[in-house]
Amino acid sequence: KNEVEQSPQNLTAQEGEFITINCSYSVGISALHWLQQHPGGGIVSLFMLSSGKKKHGRLIATINIQEKHSSLHITASHPRDSAVYICAVTPSGTYKYIFGTGTRLKVLA
Amino acid sequence: DGGITQSPKYLFRKEGQNVTLSCEQNLNHDAMYWYRQDPGQGLRLIYYSQIVNDFQKGDIAEGYSVSREKKESFPLTVTSAQKNPTAFYLCASKRLAASTDTQYFGPGTRLTVL
Repeated sequence: KNEVEQSPQNLTAQEGEFITINCSYSVGISALHWLQQHPGGGIVSLFMLSSGKKKHGRLIATINIQEKHSSLHITASHPRDSAVYICAVTPSGTYKYIFGTGTRLKVLA
Repeated sequence: DGGITQSPKYLFRKEGQNVTLSCEQNLNHDAMYWYRQDPGQGLRLIYYSQIVNDFQKGDIAEGYSVSREKKESFPLTVTSAQKNPTAFYLCASKRLAASTDTQYFGPGTRLTVL
């Protein structure tokens, strides 16, 4: 069993839909990261969470430390949101990331 | 502009040859990382370095080697001992001020062994 599990693996949505991607982890962490990988391969960091909730534009990320669970929400989805979204955790006491396998999102116009 | 550069973007190699992938950063970050990405799998750590002239093996170091002679540079050599080297390789860097600091990623190098 992977230490970081994401669901769903693939997601197709219509433009304007509300999207939720889930991440569960099994280790103690100091932070959880949501990353976006575009078709060209480059990865950008969307959020770093250690508690609570963060919002940036149409993106919202939440984390429940007790339940070892995080969600990434996209409101009013747009075709330009199409990408792979990756959850990664920094285990406590380390400077490393453990990655989930990613969720491939396609938003149709 | 500050950032991480990787070269080349695409690399083709004949079986049995060693090849070196470049990673350079001008962010003044102490830590640098090399990851491998395969279809359907999460990124896996190959090697990492937290200080010049020091580096540690990650989860899949066999068949790879690195050096860290300068803070800005962390080249990865894929040796002929790596049994399945075709993959997408990503370099990253971060500050060491806090373990929660974000890693910054390069654009990646896609290696194909012919």
